[in-house]
Amino acid sequence: GAVVSQHPSWVICKSGTSVKIECRSLDFQATTMFWYRQFPKQSLMLMATSNEGSKATYEQGVEKDKFLINHASLTLSTLTVTSAHPEDSSFYICSARGPGLAGGLRKSSYNEQFFGPGTRLTVL
Amino acid sequence: QKEVEQDPGPLSVPEGAIVSLNCTYSNSAFQYFMWYRQYSRKGPELLMYTYSSGNKEDGRFTAQVDKSSKYISLFIRDSQPSDSATYLCAMSVYNTDKLIFGTGTRLQVFP
Repeated sequence: GAVVSQHPSWVICKSGTSVKIECRSLDFQATTMFWYRQFPKQSLMLMATSNEGSKATYEQGVEKDKFLINHASLTLSTLTVTSAHPEDSSFYICSARGPGLAGGLRKSSYNEQFFGPGTRLTVL
Repeated sequence: QKEVEQDPGPLSVPEGAIVSLNCTYSNSAFQYFMWYRQYSRKGPELLMYTYSSGNKEDGRFTAQVDKSSKYISLFIRDSQPSDSATYLCAMSVYNTDKLIFGTGTRLQVFP
């Protein structure tokens, strides 16, 4: 259980185009989803947190108009990189978390995030 | 200074060796400490988490947290080739969602 998928796994696009990345929780309801970005030889950095049915909360320095996040259902969140430029080339990875201890997936005090396999975006 | 520092490796050890992976951090407010394993082209998978200081053991894995030194470790006993992966430490402040990751250490266990 607790599988998170991402689509596509990689994408190459021209500068100025928009790219949509999907993140799905396959076997649980994800009340919260997270989007991370990882540049080569750097850490995974949280970009934004989204709760189903609410607007995403963006981390400082992340442009909300450039990285559009939609979390319209309990199993799907999308990240759209608008007007992509070469500096947006990166590894984008999502994670999903269930509703909490009562409905949690593990018998633990830590409400775990489950990660997708990531999407490699290359902007030419 | 980065909030979390981790040696990127690579670390290459023979099968059966004891592996020690480490992270240091600067934010004294961190209270949850996690270790993730990431295989190539896969998402990170939670291996262990600890709350506050102390040791935690799970099979061949032991996680240690020393809050006074702001230092955490993951030990892998009897390492296997299947342990070859990138290991990421991550931390968070109590009652927040935000995980702060290290850069990851690439481990290779050769037969």
